[in-house]
Amino acid sequence: GEDVEQSLFLSVREGDSSVINCTYTDSSSTYLYWYKQEPGAGLQLLTYIFSNMDMKQDQRLTVLLNKKDKHLSLRIADTQTGDSAIYFCAEWHSGGYNKLIFGAGTRLAVHP
Amino acid sequence: DVKVTQSSRYLVKRTGEKVFLECVQDMDHENMFWYRQDPGLGLRLIYFSYDVKMKEKGDIPEGYSVSREKKERFSLILESASTNQTSMYLCASRGQGTGNTIYFGEGSWLTVV
Repeated sequence: GEDVEQSLFLSVREGDSSVINCTYTDSSSTYLYWYKQEPGAGLQLLTYIFSNMDMKQDQRLTVLLNKKDKHLSLRIADTQTGDSAIYFCAEWHSGGYNKLIFGAGTRLAVHP
Repeated sequence: DVKVTQSSRYLVKRTGEKVFLECVQDMDHENMFWYRQDPGLGLRLIYFSYDVKMKEKGDIPEGYSVSREKKERFSLILESASTNQTSMYLCASRGQGTGNTIYFGEGSWLTVV
């Protein structure tokens, strides 16, 4: 089946690193994505990783992919209050018909 | 800067009305999608389109139809709006090539009364 799972809530102190985890089930997924959603807004593409990569870094963001365990993580270095949002993990599913499958989202709360 | 624009951010419609939600992208993308987002249910795919005049049903197409007359525009149509269609509607487009990046619009909040 197709399923993407994330923990629902994460609380971190400002300046610390945040790590948001995600597991997926489709071993044929080609691309995995991280989106950020602020209240009342759409989804902002943060970063993505191709399935033949282990790691991708983009400024404060680091994505790690463990394909064997179907585990994806997003690390945000030096977390700021502006990073408070819901973060969605998504996999591009190309079996049957093409679509993005989303996790339920992780709400990140950053406190002083 | 890439852009997916949803023309209406907030709409209030009456039960039975016909509703059009418009989405335009400026990236020359072939693929476009409509999702709805509801608390506790996450994002669910309504319809998608691979190219002009092509459309495919997603997971929850009932009560909806779509139109893709031009490559840049993908419209979602509620033929007869019902209260259970009150939701946040998100349009997305996907390009081919590096990253197959998928961008979303800002969302359209629809309330059906």
